[in-house]
Amino acid sequence: NAGVMQNPRHLVRRRGQEARLRCSPMKGHSHVYWYRQLPEEGLKFMVYLQKENIIDESGMPKERFSAEFPKEGPSILRIQQVVRGDSAAYFCASSPSRGGETQYFGPGTRLLVL
Amino acid sequence: GQQLNQSPQSMFIQEGEDVSMNCTSSSIFNTWLWYKQDPGEGPVLLIALYKAGELTSNGRLTAQFGITRKDSFLNISASIPSDVGIYFCAGNDMRFGAGTRLTVKP
Repeated sequence: NAGVMQNPRHLVRRRGQEARLRCSPMKGHSHVYWYRQLPEEGLKFMVYLQKENIIDESGMPKERFSAEFPKEGPSILRIQQVVRGDSAAYFCASSPSRGGETQYFGPGTRLLVL
Repeated sequence: GQQLNQSPQSMFIQEGEDVSMNCTSSSIFNTWLWYKQDPGEGPVLLIALYKAGELTSNGRLTAQFGITRKDSFLNISASIPSDVGIYFCAGNDMRFGAGTRLTVKP
């Protein structure tokens, strides 16, 4: 009865490197959401995906950030050429469908950019 | 986009006191969700509300879906130290409020 899984839990990158964050939704969930949380701040919506489709990416920065949720495998949030301002906790949530279904969150990946 | 305002921003209370926090939206929601986040962890769902006027309890927690469908409140009765954390509201658009940071003094 695994919940939402995220890995790695902690990730350290130097400026200019790439960061790949993975999220495996709960069994039976086909909707994935990514959020970013800066220290002492709330959760900021980034992107909402279904299998093989990006439904809403209105919260994604226009450059360097991308997300995918392939037919097989976990959802990936990819940050290219990381900068110090990308340091944050990135949370993934999943739900069985959209439109009022509750989300279940993973434990998050804490990204530190040196 | 929709504006979700959560208040208060933070609360410092004594153990045993009751707590009340609320969220208001600029638009109508069909769902209100309340989450709690412990330090270093992901948010955990506390209560989900699906109908205007609905009042739902989960132990010492009680939440209500406002009849205008633009607001919701969360009450915690007889607070204990483990209630410490950040409480978030969210609507069915999956956007979250800024959170209420609760500190409980023993």
